[in-house]
Formats: sequence, structure tokens, C-alpha cells
Amino acid sequence: DAGVIQSPRHEVTEMGQEVTLRCKPISGHDYLFWYRQTMMRGLELLIYFNNNVPIDDSGMPEDRFSAKMPNASFSTLKIQPSEPRDSAVYFCASSFGGTSGGDPYNEQFFGPGTRLTVL
Amino acid sequence: AQKVTQAQTEISVVEKEDVTLDCVYETRDTTYYLFWYKQPPSGELVFLIRRNSFDEQNEISGRYSWNFQKSTSSFNFTITASQVVDSAVYFCALSEGYSSASKIIFGSGTRLSIRP
Repeated sequence: DAGVIQSPRHEVTEMGQEVTLRCKPISGHDYLFWYRQTMMRGLELLIYFNNNVPIDDSGMPEDRFSAKMPNASFSTLKIQPSEPRDSAVYFCASSFGGTSGGDPYNEQFFGPGTRLTVL
Repeated sequence: AQKVTQAQTEISVVEKEDVTLDCVYETRDTTYYLFWYKQPPSGELVFLIRRNSFDEQNEISGRYSWNFQKSTSSFNFTITASQVVDSAVYFCALSEGYSSASKIIFGSGTRLSIRP
């Protein structure tokens, strides 16, 4: 079974350009999360979706960032315009909203990440 | 507010030594979940374990073991007979409440280096 798939794995772009990161969650998972990892701030949750609906976007740094989930198997994170401070590794993760033995399945499974460099 | 503290920024040991990674958490909820994730040099995040707040039983999986103590708000991770392949950054994490939608808050990570 394929894990979370992210593309591209590496992206180098110039300041001011639009960047689109893509994610395909694990089939059957109904939660999708976008994280950003930097040395300074560690792992930060940007936004998450449940059944394709954005639930909490309080971690999105500013209006330059937007995320969509048009269907259960695809999500995008867009930065427009990009800035050098956006350079980071962006992770997508998914989880299943069921329960096992009374416990929710709340562990998240992460994709390999997209390393973004904005020059 | 919830918080996860991993006071050990970096640890370096010689192969075959035992090593314990510390994790202390803060939460006001009575129901919460704790996790450990591993991030090897390749960069991906690998889920290791989940533990709920009502289950203080220690867990052992091969060379890995976890000690959960609510009295000290700690969820420590021990690797026995460490190997070079264990070299990675390890993250402890916490989510509050009883929901698959609960946010996971990650600690800052401990970088573990195992020397041959």
C-alpha cells in the first residue's frame, strides 16, 4: 500500500514566483494535514482538512499561503508570491478518523516532504 | 496550553550502548495521546508509537521501549543496544482530547548519533 505521496520532492524558485506543492493522502484516510519544518520553528501545523473541508487554518502564516483539497485523493498548498523566508521542508500527512478498541486512529502518517528553496 | 519539551538537543553514543531520550509534556486535558516519531537522515517522518493517557503500561518493541509516567508528565524512549541505523532525529508529540482531528504538537526533537 502506497504511503502519502508528495511532489515535487525538491523545488527551487525565485522570490516572487508562485509555488504549488502537491499531496496524495493514503487511500481511505479522511484527514489531511500540511506542516512546515524549519530549523528555527521546528514542525508547525499549517492547516488540516477533514473530508476535503478545511477545519483549521490558523497556522497558515499569511495570505500568501493557500490550500485546497478538491477531492479525497489530492491536495495542494500554494504560495504566491514566494519569499526567501518560505524556504523550508513542507510535509503532508494523513490519518484515519475511525477508532480501534475505543481509541481514535489519530496517529498521522507523513509523506517524504518537499524541500522548498526560494532564492 | 499544551507543550512538549525535549531538553536533549543532541545525544551521541557508541554503538551497542543503551540510550534514553527524554520527553516532558504539559496539558490540562485528562484525555490525551502521546507519540514518538523518527526522522532519519533521508528526511521522512516515521511513526513509532502512540499511547493514550489512560494506559500507563510500558511498551517494548524489540530494542525500543517506552516509559510513560503521568506523575511526572514524562514519556521517555529507550533504545537498547543502539545501532548506527538508529541515528536520526526523534520527536515526541502530544495531542489533546479524544478525536482524530486533534492537533499534534511536536517537541523540538533530539538528534541521536550512534558512532560505530
